[in-house]
Amino acid sequence: KAGVTQTPRYLIKTRGQQVTLSCSPISGHRSVSWYQQTPGQGLQFLFEYFSETQRNKGNFPGRFSGRQFSNSRSEMNVSTLELGDSALYLCASSQDGRVGENIQYFGAGTRLSVL
Amino acid sequence: AQSVTQLDSHVSVSEGTPVLLRCNYSSSYSPSLFWYVQHPNKGLQLLLKYTSAATLVKGINGFEAEFKKSETSFHLTKPSAHMSDAAEYFCVVSLRGQNFVFGPGTRLSVLP
Repeated sequence: KAGVTQTPRYLIKTRGQQVTLSCSPISGHRSVSWYQQTPGQGLQFLFEYFSETQRNKGNFPGRFSGRQFSNSRSEMNVSTLELGDSALYLCASSQDGRVGENIQYFGAGTRLSVL
Repeated sequence: AQSVTQLDSHVSVSEGTPVLLRCNYSSSYSPSLFWYVQHPNKGLQLLLKYTSAATLVKGINGFEAEFKKSETSFHLTKPSAHMSDAAEYFCVVSLRGQNFVFGPGTRLSVLP
């Protein structure tokens, strides 16, 4: 079974631009979560989608948004990029069931640099 | 609210010696607890998971962790470190229906 796939692996943008990151979960997994990882703040939860609905949301501004498609693939969008958005963005998928109980499988991440 | 403390930001051991990475959690209810490992430029890989079935949990690559409710701890151990164990380790706490909360991480260095 293929693992969690995130594209692109690396991205360079400038302040004010917007960006879309993509995540393909493991086949059969219906839950997709997104995390931001930075040296200063560590790993922070952004949001979780299950069956095309946002089920949980972290404490991030509205510039961060996401969606999930019927095939469970998910995208994350960041509008009006700021320098502080530079980070490794990780996507994780898990099987059906209540979030927090199931093992999450992580992709390799998308490294976003904002100049 | 739940939270995770990893007491050491950096641990350095010699190859072949034991590893101890400490984790304490704060949670109002019985949580699920996980340890994940992240090698440089890689995603996170699950080492082991505790969900109240047994207090001593065995994971991959010779790692194990013991859940101690009285101490609210979930320390990760390995009897003998290998060079390939050098990585960042994250303790994670989660409550049913809520998202994962990650600890700040412990960087493990293994010296030859």
